Amino acid sequence: NAGVMQNPRHLVRRRGQEARLRCSPMKGHSHVYWYRQLPEEGLKFMVYLQKENIIDESGMPKERFSAEFPKEGPSILRIQQVVRGDSAAYFCASSRDRLNQETQYFGPGTRLLVL
Amino acid sequence: DQQVKQNSPSLSVQEGRISILNCDYTNSMFDYFLWYKKYPAEGPTFLISISSIKDKNEDGRFTVFLNKSAKHLSLHIVPSQPGDSAVYFCASNLQGAQKLVFGQGTRLTINP
Repeated sequence: NAGVMQNPRHLVRRRGQEARLRCSPMKGHSHVYWYRQLPEEGLKFMVYLQKENIIDESGMPKERFSAEFPKEGPSILRIQQVVRGDSAAYFCASSRDRLNQETQYFGPGTRLLVL
Repeated sequence: DQQVKQNSPSLSVQEGRISILNCDYTNSMFDYFLWYKKYPAEGPTFLISISSIKDKNEDGRFTVFLNKSAKHLSLHIVPSQPGDSAVYFCASNLQGAQKLVFGQGTRLTINP
């Protein structure tokens, strides 16, 4: 199965710790998107990356959140000094080409719980 | 500002009948619309899409209708099956933008 891979599936952190979420896109996909889903809400766009470049980070909180998609390896969403409000499901999606021609394929998500 | 709205949090339908899920949007610059299905503890799975230049797209049991003047789209599933029980999200994107805007989702339950 060459789908979008995310790990870990579940992550528990205490307030003030760092959370690192990883996403490996589908084979042949060079576009990665991160979304966050709060309980009982829809998914909210956070950031769009291509290899080594952040293209659109309009949905990222200004502080504590960062994302990267290095030339080699998975995309990383990093949350520093986590707070309880960061508890959510974080989904990564990938596409081969620009969105209008290709759909986004989603990974299973990482469920972050901040104690 | 909720640009994509799914006003029904839940819907219950008898097996074999038609399920109709609705979605409204406010931004006339949206040019592509998609429906995703999501099971618990899994990521959304793409179902069907429609371009703003069309008013209908059909794929097997799934049909999406787009009414641009009303800024409304709907997903029809017929006949409904127990495996269709899931949360359904509509999503759209702005022309030239590389991000999807999602509705809040509708939980569909198919009763045997």
